[in-house]
Amino acid sequence: DTEVTQTPKHLVMGMTNKKSLKCEQHMGHRAMYWYKQKAKKPPELMFVYSYEKLSINESVPSRFSPECPNSSLLNLHLHALQPEDSALYLCASSQQGASWSGNTIYFGEGSWLTVV
Amino acid sequence: GQQVMQIPQYQHVQEGEDFTTYCNSSTTLSNIQWYKQRPGGHPVFLIQLVKSGEVKKQKRLTFQFGEAKKNSSLHITATQTTDVGTYFCAGPAWTSGSRLTFGEGTQLTVNP
Repeated sequence: DTEVTQTPKHLVMGMTNKKSLKCEQHMGHRAMYWYKQKAKKPPELMFVYSYEKLSINESVPSRFSPECPNSSLLNLHLHALQPEDSALYLCASSQQGASWSGNTIYFGEGSWLTVV
Repeated sequence: GQQVMQIPQYQHVQEGEDFTTYCNSSTTLSNIQWYKQRPGGHPVFLIQLVKSGEVKKQKRLTFQFGEAKKNSSLHITATQTTDVGTYFCAGPAWTSGSRLTFGEGTQLTVNP
């Protein structure tokens, strides 16, 4: 069982909707991540928070807005998405801050997003 | 930028046969990690290799890290239906911290 919890597991939203994906970890990990995964492709990094501060934004469109309210929580706010944004959105965490290359990544079960 | 190539893209085997997937990076890696993703599931961390030439075993799985720290392999002996899934290698370049570059993955199917 994963110790990174994501809600909701499935989300269908219209292109004018505003919704949020939520993620929680209680392992005391210092970095948290959002990845996007399309079918039959590897996970694609979107954002990294290290010690609750945004450290990496992989040139993600502004219709995706991350938020880290505290060291255990990570949100991804969604607004005016396009059908091509439909994908599995994976939250993840790692023990040390994002600058440490020895980190291994613990993924949540993901949120399946469909934009209609 | 860094690229990680993984072959084969797909592998179909009969249960009991062996399976190997190979990973090659365009740059030297500080470490290599392997993840398994079951159909409909999420990636799960399997192992991390750090040292040049390192070999690690987990039951029927054998992982190797090349001497130059640019290539790696995963070998499964006597596959079982529980081995079905996509295997990804991933590695950070020396200067990229936790920014992992994933290979495209090898999708393994096992016929009983």
